[in-house]
Amino acid sequence: GNSVTQMEGPVTLSEEAFLTINCTYTATGYPSLFWYVQYPGEGLQLLLKATKADDKGSNKGFEATYRKETTSFHLEKGSVQVSDSAVYFCALKDGSARQLTFGSGTQLTVLP
Amino acid sequence: EAQVTQNPRYLITVTGKKLTVTCSQNMNHEYMSWYRQDPGLGLRQIYYSMNVEVTDKGDVPEGYKVSRKEKRNFPLILESPSPNQTSLYFCASKGLAGVDTQYFGPGTRLTVL
Repeated sequence: GNSVTQMEGPVTLSEEAFLTINCTYTATGYPSLFWYVQYPGEGLQLLLKATKADDKGSNKGFEATYRKETTSFHLEKGSVQVSDSAVYFCALKDGSARQLTFGSGTQLTVLP
Repeated sequence: EAQVTQNPRYLITVTGKKLTVTCSQNMNHEYMSWYRQDPGLGLRQIYYSMNVEVTDKGDVPEGYKVSRKEKRNFPLILESPSPNQTSLYFCASKGLAGVDTQYFGPGTRLTVL
């Protein structure tokens, strides 16, 4: 079956630090990959996505590259802000499946 | 404004007392889904619906029911809630065309005593 493994949190960084949140996946087909963000008290919002190998998704300074050879989709940002504090979820959709499979989420706290 | 709404946002109830959490979307999406979010487990899908009158079980359907009588609404029903259903619940919707981008509601925090 499909699964998504995210790095354990929580992650605490100082403002302007570099962020990496690791995500690896297992899928039977060729999945589409997503990062969702959940700000405190809100629902999930799509942050970025990639639909095929070597695609790079980007949004709001965040980037993630679909690496088929390492089955990874790590989230990166060069300089985090306090407003980036949130829970980040990696997810996949296998082309043959109908639903998203989520990782367990990574809590990010950015300190001023 | 495109949105998914859920009601109530917070609910405290007792074991065995039937409850319904409503979900409505205004984007004419065919697909709707319910998830529960628990610490360390991420989001797990409860039920989903591909269109009106079409519903299917997700990963954790036990103890839940859903209905899809209208395209915009997808209520989640707990006939006899139990404490292990204490959780944060999210409704989501998406269109069927193209790569999936799900739109999530704001969440319903349910406590079953």
